Formats: sequence, C-alpha cells, structure tokens
Amino acid sequence: DAKTTQPTSMDCAEGRAANLPCNHSTISGNEYVYWYRQIHSQGPQYIIHGLKNNETNEMASLIITEDRKSSTLILPHATLRDTAVYYCIVRVQYYNQGGKLIFGQGTELSVKP
Amino acid sequence: NAGVMQNPRHLVRRRGQEARLRCSPMKGHSHVYWYRQLPEEGLKFMVYLQKENIIDESGMPKERFSAEFPKEGPSILRIQQVVRGDSAAYFCASSPQQETQYFGPGTRLLVL
Repeated sequence: DAKTTQPTSMDCAEGRAANLPCNHSTISGNEYVYWYRQIHSQGPQYIIHGLKNNETNEMASLIITEDRKSSTLILPHATLRDTAVYYCIVRVQYYNQGGKLIFGQGTELSVKP
Repeated sequence: NAGVMQNPRHLVRRRGQEARLRCSPMKGHSHVYWYRQLPEEGLKFMVYLQKENIIDESGMPKERFSAEFPKEGPSILRIQQVVRGDSAAYFCASSPQQETQYFGPGTRLLVL
C-alpha cells in the first residue's frame, strides 16, 4: 500500500502557483520523497525528489517539513499543460531491496484558464 | 540522450495469443522496471530486473507472465495466452543503479 495521502483533486488558475500537499507521516529516515505526474495516460514523468532539504529544479520546488511527515510540491506558474495526476511517493533509494515505486491514487490537478 | 523506448506502442491480440512487449532503457541504465495500469486504475509494480537477473517479481501474476532482460537487447515482458483482463497500459522504467526511474511512453495492449 502507498505510504502517502494526497487530496483527490485540486483546481488552479492558469499563471498562479499550484501547491500540492502530501502527507507521509510514517516515512523512515532513509526514505526519499518523489513526485511524478501522468498526463493523459502518458508515461509517468519524473518531477523532483528530496530527502529532507527543500529542492528546486526547472519544473518545480519541493518543500519538506522539518519532521518530514509532509511535503508540498509547488508549480510556480501553472499552465494548462500542467493538468495531470500528480503522485507523491516515498521510497528507499540507496538500499538493495528493489526500489519499486508504489503509486497511490494521486491528486488530479486541473489548471483552468 | 534518447529516453526509454517501448514498442509497440499499441498491440492488439485475440484471446489465447501471445503478447511480447519490448523496452529499451536509457543509455547507461542497467535497471529496468515494469508497471501495469489497468483501465481506470492506478499504476502497479510488476517486476524489477537487472541485466540477466530478476531482482523482484513480487507484482507479477503467477501464471502466463514472464520477463527478461538479456545481456544484449531490450527487456521483454511476455504474456502467454492473453485474456481480456490483460488489456492495460504497460509501462517500462529504467534507472542507473537504484536511483530515479524514468518512464517510457507505454504499450497499450488490447485483447479482443
């Protein structure tokens, strides 16, 4: 079972920041937080990941709380093309136990004009 | 650097036939994962392979499904004697070591 909890759906106005929350209260010390998205049933697209520090790349920012029990993915200026299902996943990275991703239901983000 | 490639993108089979799905990982990636997405459902892990080895097949159905990742060539997911319930999107992902997984575009299998 997925170790994360996300809202089922969210709306965001085009051009505004989209803030997608994720709860992972049972996260272990060696587990990373990963975010992927899936647009129109295409292959999942990697967005960003982090362990405990906040991270930023060209796509998004990831804010992880100090206790690591929750995080927020921020799309700074959402566009219509960001409409997708966003998945928050926790997984062990550098540990020889397979590294499979366990997808939950994700958050369906609708960016509206 | 080309991404993960999967072919065919669409595959139609009649019940009882065999389906072969191919996945070419990104250059430099030696780890391959297969996932399945049934209609209106989430993505489910099937199997994790490294070159010539199956590392984790905990998500594979016990019968009719097999996977390989030979020393040379793509990874193959093989489904024997397909049934309608096998209709789904099958996604392959690859990674260098056990790091970030990058997904291919998927193969849509339709069983008539």
